Amino acid sequence: EVQLVQSGAEVKKSGESLKISCQGSGYRFTSYWIVWVRQMPGKGLEWMGIIYPGDSDTKYSPSFQGQVTISADKSISTAYLQWSTLKASDTAIYYCARRSDAQQYSFDYWGHGTLVTVSS
Amino acid sequence: QSALTQPASVSGSPGQSITISCTGTSSDVGSYNLVSWYQQHPGKAPKVMIYEGSKRPSGVSNRFSGSKSGNTASLTISGLQAEDEADYYCCSYAGSSTWVFGGGTKLTVL
Repeated sequence: EVQLVQSGAEVKKSGESLKISCQGSGYRFTSYWIVWVRQMPGKGLEWMGIIYPGDSDTKYSPSFQGQVTISADKSISTAYLQWSTLKASDTAIYYCARRSDAQQYSFDYWGHGTLVTVSS
Repeated sequence: QSALTQPASVSGSPGQSITISCTGTSSDVGSYNLVSWYQQHPGKAPKVMIYEGSKRPSGVSNRFSGSKSGNTASLTISGLQAEDEADYYCCSYAGSSTWVFGGGTKLTVL
């Protein structure tokens, strides 16, 4: 069974750093792109960026380029999303999802989401 | 890369059909027939309902259908059921391994 298990909720202060994770199982992790999606409180989905764990090729939305870093450790089938300096506006739920193989331009399996709360 | 434009809300009665539009540009929706649609119930992760504009993943009801004309994609739900009440998001491939989501539409089943 394909699963994406995300790390738990985080409560941080502005200016702190953070790294959240998304561990894949039930499939060949290195062969599927992983995307990160932001959902601010009461708002819609925003595409942040995508990584191919096989070679760490990464693409970012212009809106998030330079604001976050996406990485992966294929040895433990885990993708990461990190911030070096958090802001209150980073408060959101962050989802990871797998880019489908058979349906290549869609995202077929999703994590449960990680709630990040940043206080000022 | 701006968000795709969706109506904020739509509503319909059980058994009726509704259509949600998703308007992009010639750089995303208009250039590729690669729009996907996601259903999100409160507190849950999104679920893909339509991919590549009009294809349904295994297990998704045939009451859900997708289409595209020019820079606008559409999701139609026929035979509305109470369980269809949710938020719906379109998502288009935008080239160079990037994607863009729509702002989302809240569907209310009256």
